[in-house]
Amino acid sequence: GNSVTQMEGPVTLSEEAFLTINCTYTATGYPSLFWYVQYPGEGLQLLLKATKADDKGSNKGFEATYRKETTSFHLEKGSVQVSDSAVYFCALSRQGQAGTALIFGKGTTLSVSS
Amino acid sequence: KAGVTQTPRYLIKTRGQQVTLSCSPISGHRSVSWYQQTPGQGLQFLFEYFSETQRNKGNFPGRFSGRQFSNSRSEMNVSTLELGDSALYLCASSYDRGRQETQYFGPGTRLLVL
Repeated sequence: GNSVTQMEGPVTLSEEAFLTINCTYTATGYPSLFWYVQYPGEGLQLLLKATKADDKGSNKGFEATYRKETTSFHLEKGSVQVSDSAVYFCALSRQGQAGTALIFGKGTTLSVSS
Repeated sequence: KAGVTQTPRYLIKTRGQQVTLSCSPISGHRSVSWYQQTPGQGLQFLFEYFSETQRNKGNFPGRFSGRQFSNSRSEMNVSTLELGDSALYLCASSYDRGRQETQYFGPGTRLLVL
């Protein structure tokens, strides 16, 4: 079946450090891939997305490249800020159906200190 | 453009009661999906509505149901509440259906079952 695996957190970094959050997926066909971020007490916000192999999604300094050969969509940021502290979710759109159901990873908590 | 709104934001119920949650999608969006978020199970897809019809359904018991109105607003209902139904319920809307569509999430309704 379709699934998403994220690296376990929490991830603790100092301000201006480099961030990588690993995400791999299992899916039939060609899913779209997403990164969402959740700040305390809030819903999910779309961070970036990619809809086909080799696409690079980017937003607010975050980047992720859709790698079909390694079934991965790792999230990176060159220099994190305290305001990036949040929970990050990798997700794929469920392939094989005409709907828009998302399958999420368990989430990775990022804590950035100054 | 206003985002996805959900009401109420917080609810406390007792076992055996039923509850109805409401979601207003972004103006012009026709697809509404519901997700349950718990610490143990993470984010899980409940169902999706499009043009007043349920198009997809996740693996939840029949106690969970929903509907969509002609103005795309949606409600979900949980009958005979159990302690395990305590969760954050998130609603998401998208303009259309399809794996490439971006879902935009509301702030959620936090349900506590005592």
